[in-house]
Amino acid sequence: AQTVTQSQPEMSVQEAETVTLSCTYDTSESDYYLFWYKQPPSRQMILVIRQEAYKQQNATENRFSVNFQKAAKSFSLKISDSQLGDAAMYFCAYGAGKSTFGDGTTLTVKP
Amino acid sequence: GAVVSQHPSWVICKSGTSVKIECRSLDFQATTMFWYRQFPKQSLMLMATSNEGSKATYEQGVEKDKFLINHASLTLSTLTVTSAHPEDSSFYICSARAGGKGNQPQHFGDGTRLSIL
Repeated sequence: AQTVTQSQPEMSVQEAETVTLSCTYDTSESDYYLFWYKQPPSRQMILVIRQEAYKQQNATENRFSVNFQKAAKSFSLKISDSQLGDAAMYFCAYGAGKSTFGDGTTLTVKP
Repeated sequence: GAVVSQHPSWVICKSGTSVKIECRSLDFQATTMFWYRQFPKQSLMLMATSNEGSKATYEQGVEKDKFLINHASLTLSTLTVTSAHPEDSSFYICSARAGGKGNQPQHFGDGTRLSIL
């Protein structure tokens, strides 16, 4: 069975600074996908970024980028120029059929 | 695009009542829909996976007769909590995915806050 581990229950960052959220996973599959979702206080789940395992190039979406290390089974999320609206719970997810979610990291952005 | 509508957003009802929650994909056909339960400040707990026209696949520990799932069309799935009790109070979220594999992201509804008195 696949597992997803987010080792940082809480993180904080100063506005305009950069923060990295960690995620590791375990799988025996070779073809899979990884996602980061954001859940603000409204509790709506929002897709932040997606990475295909077969692609070596790290995915980037504006201020959000990932560091995907397939051999190490690591998939961290970097948020640059943090904004107050980035404050949320972030979930790392593994997808190959059904998705497996990590326990989440609560990000606080300090003004 | 990829909008998922979930209704109702909040339900308060008496113990013993059955409650139906709807999940609709508004602008795409959802091959697969998922139902999650989430406790405060915790991760999403997958309850079941449903594919259009077939029976839902329930996760271990989830009572099939308690949580009835129907995926009657490519745009609609329903979750019925039968004879709800206070311990069923929780936040329920549905999601929909266009493809059968995990390459397509899940698109989530806004969730339903269920409170059983």
